[in-house]
Amino acid sequence: GAVVSQHPSWVICKSGTSVKIECRSLDFQATTMFWYRQFPKQSLMLMATSNEGSKATYEQGVEKDKFLINHASLTLSTLTVTSAHPEDSSFYICSAREARENSPLHFGNGTRLTVT
Amino acid sequence: GQNIDQPTEMTATEGAIVQINCTYQTSGFNGLFWYQQHAGEAPTFLSYNVLDGLEEKGRFSSFLSRSKGYSYLLLKELQMKDSASYLCAVMDSNYQLIWGAGTKLIIKP
Repeated sequence: GAVVSQHPSWVICKSGTSVKIECRSLDFQATTMFWYRQFPKQSLMLMATSNEGSKATYEQGVEKDKFLINHASLTLSTLTVTSAHPEDSSFYICSAREARENSPLHFGNGTRLTVT
Repeated sequence: GQNIDQPTEMTATEGAIVQINCTYQTSGFNGLFWYQQHAGEAPTFLSYNVLDGLEEKGRFSSFLSRSKGYSYLLLKELQMKDSASYLCAVMDSNYQLIWGAGTKLIIKP
């Protein structure tokens, strides 16, 4: 089945630094990838839709200058949390869909970010 | 607006059957998905329904009625490892996924 690889699985960083999270579709091409954030005991929140070769589409309330998304190829999207603060600590999950009708979303394993 | 409703929490006994319901109101419909999410992990895909009726996959089955805006996920022969949150999501006319808040399923021995 379709596999989405996300790296790193966890990261601890100091306040003010930047963190990059990678999302790769291993056995299919993904023109669109999605980035979610999930706080403890809450549901998934869509942050942005990453489109290969063009700018990402951000959801309302998500700062595009803080959460930089780059979709450089059909198999790779990156999310960079810039100037991280403790309130950015969360579980970040990427997902991708195969480019065929009615294909489900496949999720990466998520990245747990802790900002100290 | 778009809305997906599912119970917040359910409790069931090991070996029993549980049905998790999901009702939706969305702008268009391009399929309904069920995902399982264990605490601290990413969601994993369980099922997809786009036509009315029941889809069976081992111990898990998913049902859809488009006219009623209703789906359920049926879990049989419950095991302790089935304790997780179950997320209902609908793909709208723009192919965007609308997520329910999830149902936390607690399995007791």
